[in-house]
Amino acid sequence: KQEVTQIPAALSVPEGENLVLNCSFTDSAIYNLQWFRQDPGKGLTSLLLIQSSQREQTSGRLNASLDKSSGRSTLYIAASQPGDSATYLCAASPSSNTGKLIFGQGTTLQVKP
Amino acid sequence: DAGVIQSPRHEVTEMGQEVTLRCKPISGHDYLFWYRQTMMRGLELLIYFNNNVPIDDSGMPEDRFSAKMPNASFSTLKIQPSEPRDSAVYFCASSSFMASLEQYFGPGTRLTVT
Repeated sequence: KQEVTQIPAALSVPEGENLVLNCSFTDSAIYNLQWFRQDPGKGLTSLLLIQSSQREQTSGRLNASLDKSSGRSTLYIAASQPGDSATYLCAASPSSNTGKLIFGQGTTLQVKP
Repeated sequence: DAGVIQSPRHEVTEMGQEVTLRCKPISGHDYLFWYRQTMMRGLELLIYFNNNVPIDDSGMPEDRFSAKMPNASFSTLKIQPSEPRDSAVYFCASSSFMASLEQYFGPGTRLTVT
């Protein structure tokens, strides 16, 4: 059974820092991995999707990497800004290609001005 | 595209009442998912459909919950009778195999059962 873990649960950094959010999964046989952002009281916004055959994806200041052999993904945020404050969730899709996602519990990020 | 649309955005009801949540997926998407989010349990998948057919309902808490997808552009999640422990935010999401199964979420329905 696939399990997804995100550590730490919360993170506070000063503005301008580069930071890394971690995601680990127990079953390396995944179809894809997706990173989401959730602002308080809002829905989830898809940030990046990495296919199982890819090693990384980039969008602006965000870079997500995938290492299936070690069961890890990281989300790198460059030059953090207060507007980046939110909860970040990663989710893995099983290789059975069901479309289903298994979510981690999220990392709540606070970027202080 | 307007994205995934959910209604109502907020619902307050009394214990024992029937609650119906509605979802319109992104046009062309063939997967639809219903999730529930609480502080205690995080994000839980309740049920999902592929081409309007329920594929996995193992996350549905009990018989009080039911979901339907009568056509490709509409789905409902019904709770009857509702209980205070059903209070949560319910999200609908959709995806398409042709778009690499990237999931897009609606804004959610915040349900409060008193």
